[in-house]
Amino acid sequence: EAGVVQSPRYKIIEKKQPVAFWCNPISGHNTLYWYLQNLGQGPELLIRYENEEAVDDSQLPKDRFSAERLKGVDSTLKIQPAELGDSAVYLCASSRRRGGRSTDTQYFGPGTRLTVL
Amino acid sequence: GQQLNQSPQSMFIQEGEDVSMNCTSSSIFNTWLWYKQDPGEGPVLLIALYKAGELTSNGRLTAQFGITRKDSFLNISASIPSDVGIYFCAGATMNRDDKIIFGKGTRLHILP
Repeated sequence: EAGVVQSPRYKIIEKKQPVAFWCNPISGHNTLYWYLQNLGQGPELLIRYENEEAVDDSQLPKDRFSAERLKGVDSTLKIQPAELGDSAVYLCASSRRRGGRSTDTQYFGPGTRLTVL
Repeated sequence: GQQLNQSPQSMFIQEGEDVSMNCTSSSIFNTWLWYKQDPGEGPVLLIALYKAGELTSNGRLTAQFGITRKDSFLNISASIPSDVGIYFCAGATMNRDDKIIFGKGTRLHILP
């Protein structure tokens, strides 16, 4: 079974430029998560989707960040415009959520390492 | 907001030694999770704990859910080189819209 796929693996951009990350979750997983991981920190949730619906986007900085999961499978996370402080690893995870439990095992992708110059 | 204090931040040990790390919080969690992250990869779940006092093993790894529900520890016995990495604890409250809160990680180094 293929794992969570993310692309690109690395991205270097100049500040004020837009950037987009793509995630393909494990087949059959209805729940998809985007996390931000700063250097030396644990992952922090940005947004959680159940199928097409964003059920928790309370930590997503909506002035510059947006996400979509149009058909309930793949998802994209966009930053426009990027700032220096956005340099971090952006992780995607998926799970087969049952009964409202967030602790159904989340499988993480390798992440996209973003560097904003 | 909820925060997890994970210690130690880093550890340097000899191969074969046992390792112990812990996680504490001022908040109560109903679930404790332990993840390992290798360089360039995402975290991988090692052990999940769902009941206060629960002690669970996964090979050489043993984790416990504290009685107060505010702490958890992870032990690794007889460490080997592939144990190198960052270990994260994470807590969840199990509410409908809950989220997993991660600690800052313990970086494990094994000296040759």
